Amino acid sequence: GAVVSQHPSWVICKSGTSVKIECRSLDFQATTMFWYRQFPKQSLMLMATSNEGSKATYEQGVEKDKFLINHASLTLSTLTVTSAHPEDSSFYICSARGDYHNEQFFGPGTRLTVL
Amino acid sequence: AQSVTQLGSHVSVSEGALVLLRCNYSSSVPPYLFWYVQYPNQGLQLLLKYTSAATLVKGINGFEAEFKKSETSFHLTKPSAHMSDAAEYFCAVTIYNTDKLIFGTGTRLQVFP
Repeated sequence: GAVVSQHPSWVICKSGTSVKIECRSLDFQATTMFWYRQFPKQSLMLMATSNEGSKATYEQGVEKDKFLINHASLTLSTLTVTSAHPEDSSFYICSARGDYHNEQFFGPGTRLTVL
Repeated sequence: AQSVTQLGSHVSVSEGALVLLRCNYSSSVPPYLFWYVQYPNQGLQLLLKYTSAATLVKGINGFEAEFKKSETSFHLTKPSAHMSDAAEYFCAVTIYNTDKLIFGTGTRLQVFP
């Protein structure tokens, strides 16, 4: 089946630093990747959609300069949280879809804690 | 605009009892509907999906859901709950003509022995 991995699975950082989260499709080419944010005991909120080789499309209210998304290859997308603050602490989940898929495949998530 | 509403943030059942998790949708066009399960500190796993074919959809782990247009519902059921079914369940709908998923607020299922 289609497998998506994320790295790291958890990260703790100091306020003001930047953190990069990787999302990889392991056995398929992901033409489209999605980044979600999930606060404790809440639902997933779509942050942005990225297509390989083009700029990400951000949802309303998501700061593109704070959450940098790069989808440089068909198997890798990265989310960089710049100048992280405690309110950025959350569970970040990516998903990926290939051209021949009619569903998204989700990664296991990355828990970010900003001190 | 599409949306989904999950009635009941928590559902508790005894092991062996029927599981019923409710989801109602709102969509001006025929929707694609999904149920996902999330175990603690993990990503989402697709249970089943409705994509305008059969209205009764069977998924993994013995779950099934029925698309009822007249009731705008897509409730998730399982005849007999197992302890391993304890998790968070999300109903989702795609925004028409895009890949974007809109998730409900989730229902936490607890299964008691």
